Amino acid sequence: GAGVSQTPSNKVTEKGKYVELRCDPISGHTALYWYRQSLGQGPEFLIYFQGTGAADDSGLPNDRFFAVRPEGSVSTLKIQRTERGDSAVYLCASSPDRANTEAFFGQGTRLTVV
Amino acid sequence: AQSVTQLDSQVPVFEEAPVELRCNYSSSVSVYLFWYVQYPNQGLQLLLKYLSGSTLVKGINGFEAEFNKSQTSFHLRKPSVHISDTAEYFCAVNSNTGKLIFGQGTTLQVKP
Repeated sequence: GAGVSQTPSNKVTEKGKYVELRCDPISGHTALYWYRQSLGQGPEFLIYFQGTGAADDSGLPNDRFFAVRPEGSVSTLKIQRTERGDSAVYLCASSPDRANTEAFFGQGTRLTVV
Repeated sequence: AQSVTQLDSQVPVFEEAPVELRCNYSSSVSVYLFWYVQYPNQGLQLLLKYLSGSTLVKGINGFEAEFNKSQTSFHLRKPSVHISDTAEYFCAVNSNTGKLIFGQGTTLQVKP
């Protein structure tokens, strides 16, 4: 597709379970970002990939959160032992490079932990 | 550290009236500034960006913003709003590290 694709669009999981959220960036974009948006808040940075490597993971809240981008394209955000406080919309964005070019956002995955 | 403050959480306005959404930022280094719009149940879409050069930036849908370095502001304006402009608007900064720092958002409510 032409845009950033995120799957699933909605995910409901039980507290304590493991979840994976997928992001398909725009073809050829080397930079990929994950953000988390809680209700009524602006998006908060989680992690940034340049190619296959995590260039900045300073926004990951704790070691239950992990993300990979093994081939420099698709990325997966993994959350272990989910907690109710993890409920939010998880946004993925990609851009041609890291600097000042526009970041294109996907529609997000709404995660609800019950 | 960088931060962004959007001074109004909600802005109600009548259709065809002008609107200004306020944004102030804090940074010890040069920044790039952005405004994004989020329509209900949709992803973020870039309205406009300031990288360098002219401090008055024009974007899509008739929006414009002015970068004021002395006041560390980047307010968004539109001379005449439409019902379809009803959405959440986010101001953001990027210091060339790649990541965006967003404000809390301003809900623009356009009334008929």
